[in-house]
Amino acid sequence: KQEVTQIPAALSVPEGENLVLNCSFTDSAIYNLQWFRQDPGKGLTSLLLIQSSQREQTSGRLNASLDKSSGRSTLYIAASQPGDSATYLCAVTSGGGADGLTFGKGTHLIIQP
Amino acid sequence: EPEVTQTPSHQVTQMGQEVILRCVPISNHLYFYWYRQILGQKVEFLVSFYNNEISEKSEIFDDQFSVERPDGSNFTLKIRSTKLEDSAMYFCASSEGRGTLYTQYFGPGTRLTVL
Repeated sequence: KQEVTQIPAALSVPEGENLVLNCSFTDSAIYNLQWFRQDPGKGLTSLLLIQSSQREQTSGRLNASLDKSSGRSTLYIAASQPGDSATYLCAVTSGGGADGLTFGKGTHLIIQP
Repeated sequence: EPEVTQTPSHQVTQMGQEVILRCVPISNHLYFYWYRQILGQKVEFLVSFYNNEISEKSEIFDDQFSVERPDGSNFTLKIRSTKLEDSAMYFCASSEGRGTLYTQYFGPGTRLTVL
C-alpha cells in the first residue's frame, strides 16, 4: 500500500528566504506526483504536476523535482512571500490502474513578514 | 478559468440521516472523484467515476456511500445513514483523462457535520 510522508510537518521562515519542502513515497511505481496548496478551510489548488518520466517542473517561483527510483520529491520555493503561507500537500497517483491520489499530511508553512 | 463547484459549503445533519453532496465538475472533464479530509488528517480517496460507473473505490467507500451523475453536469455523493465519524470535509475533483498527463482539479469542499 502506497504511503506518502512529508517533512517537515511545519515550517516558519522570514520573508525572502528560499525553502525546500520534502515528500517521500514508498512505492516507486507511480504515474505522476502533484503538489497542492491548501489554505485554511479551503479546497486544494494544484501547483505542479510531474509525470513519472520527468525529473522536474517549474512554475514561477516554484520548482518541483522528482526522483522516482528513490521515492522522493522536493518543492523549492524561491524568494518566499507572506502570501505563500499555506499547507502544501504532496500526492501521487500509483500505477496498476489506480485513479485515486494518495496524499501526504502536508507541510504547514508560515512566512513571517 | 473553469473550476469545480460544490454545494452546499456546509451541511449539518443528525446521525442516521441521509445526505447528498453535490458537485459540478469542469465541463469537458471525463473523470470524477470524491475525497474526504477528517479534521487534522490526510486527504483520503473515496471513489472515482467514469463513463457512468465506478472505476475505483477505496476501503472507506462502503455500502452506505453511493455516487451518481444524474444529468450532464452534476455529480453527487450520497451517504445513506450518517455516522458521527462521517464528519469531514468532502472534496470533489475532476480531470480530463487518466494517467500520467492529467491533473486532478479540486472543488472548495463541503464541510459535513454529523451531530
